[in-house]
Amino acid sequence: QSVLTQPPSASGTPGQRVSISCSGSSSSIGSKNVNWYQQFPGTAPKLLIYRSNQRPSGVPDRVSGSKSGTSASLAISGLQSEDEAIYYCSSWDDSLNGPIFGGGTKLTVL
Amino acid sequence: QVQLQESGPGLVKPSGTLSLTCAVSGDSISSNNWWGWVRQPPGTGLEWIGEIYHSGTTNYNPSLKSRVTISLDTSKNQFSLKLDSVTAADTAVYYCARPTVTKGGAFDIWGQGAVVTVSS
Repeated sequence: QSVLTQPPSASGTPGQRVSISCSGSSSSIGSKNVNWYQQFPGTAPKLLIYRSNQRPSGVPDRVSGSKSGTSASLAISGLQSEDEAIYYCSSWDDSLNGPIFGGGTKLTVL
Repeated sequence: QVQLQESGPGLVKPSGTLSLTCAVSGDSISSNNWWGWVRQPPGTGLEWIGEIYHSGTTNYNPSLKSRVTISLDTSKNQFSLKLDSVTAADTAVYYCARPTVTKGGAFDIWGQGAVVTVSS
């Protein structure tokens, strides 16, 4: 089973742009789409980005996703206090024949 | 608006069977969709458990495959999870979720989560 690696934490001040990375392998991110989820304490995850760079309706355009090779990134510009949450990347893994998740990145708005 | 709602016992004894149900509203489980389960142990990340297609075809995480059964109940528009021989390591919040084909299989609909504790 492949692994998706995220930094455990990230931070920024209001108005800044923050980027969260997600590193995978050729059998996951390298050949599959990446999804990103946002989770607040005590609540279910919410889909933020699908197919690496697509936003579901209702997600503001200051949130964006990208993918290059075996890595992906989630960027949030115009950082707001309400963005403080844990962010998970996810990708399909051929060896698992199912989705895998990164360990999560806790974003703190200073 | 599609909604999912988990239900089931919050406490299961070690070596027992964990049983949860996910009631679906706003969509039919007989529609062209997969329906899945994801869990989150306390203070940690997300783990995919498995999924079931509207036809009844299942796909399980190999690490849990020997203990997991996911099934459909079309008469009640719900699907279920059974996990056998549970241990403390199975203590987690269990989410039912819909991986949507039009979004490349991303989980775009989630239940609110069911807290399950394995303890005697």
